Amino acid sequence: QQQVKQSPQSLIVQKGGISIINCAYENTAFDYFPWYQQFPGKGPALLIAIRPDVSEKKEGRFTISFNKSAKQFSLHIMDSQPGDSATYFCAALNDYKLSFGAGTTVTVRA
Amino acid sequence: DAGITQSPRHKVTETGTPVTLRCHQTENHRYMYWYRQDPGHGLRLIHYSYGVKDTDKGEVSDGYSVSRSKTEDFLLTLESATSSQTSVYFCAIRGAGTGNNEQFFGPGTRLTVL
Repeated sequence: QQQVKQSPQSLIVQKGGISIINCAYENTAFDYFPWYQQFPGKGPALLIAIRPDVSEKKEGRFTISFNKSAKQFSLHIMDSQPGDSATYFCAALNDYKLSFGAGTTVTVRA
Repeated sequence: DAGITQSPRHKVTETGTPVTLRCHQTENHRYMYWYRQDPGHGLRLIHYSYGVKDTDKGEVSDGYSVSRSKTEDFLLTLESATSSQTSVYFCAIRGAGTGNNEQFFGPGTRLTVL
């Protein structure tokens, strides 16, 4: 049973638009929440991460919003570019072990 | 790539044959992990290691074994491969330093069991 639920499964956004991916979890022992970006044929690459004592973290065009009480977190990709077309995974860490969401395939149309 | 290599990168094998995948790292990281990636499931942890000869099971460990006889190598073995083990396998390492939770992934091995 997946410990981290991710939605949507896929999304299409126009160049310059905003992509939003949502994740939810139940296990309150999770203490670190990373997002990974994966291109076809490659391994996942760490994109941005947040700890539960912070409500928002921004790095360039990528922002994580974290709602501890709701046990939800989301990734916002601002000013989406064709090069952002990839699969994105949310994850949650407990005791040095990551649990992943099922992934979201993002397609940015030029 | 955090100094992680995986071999082989692609393998096709027959049901019932043994298969060993190798993960090699060059930076003496203590923690190493094996994941499998399947559509609709994301990545799922198979086994992990927290030091030489120290290993533990993940959420999908049935049918898999691991060994770590030296810091730089972490081996994943399918004793008798089944078609359900057709997948892409990723090795990962945990970044160095106390409190460092970052995991870095290798390029993956695509395994097909016929």
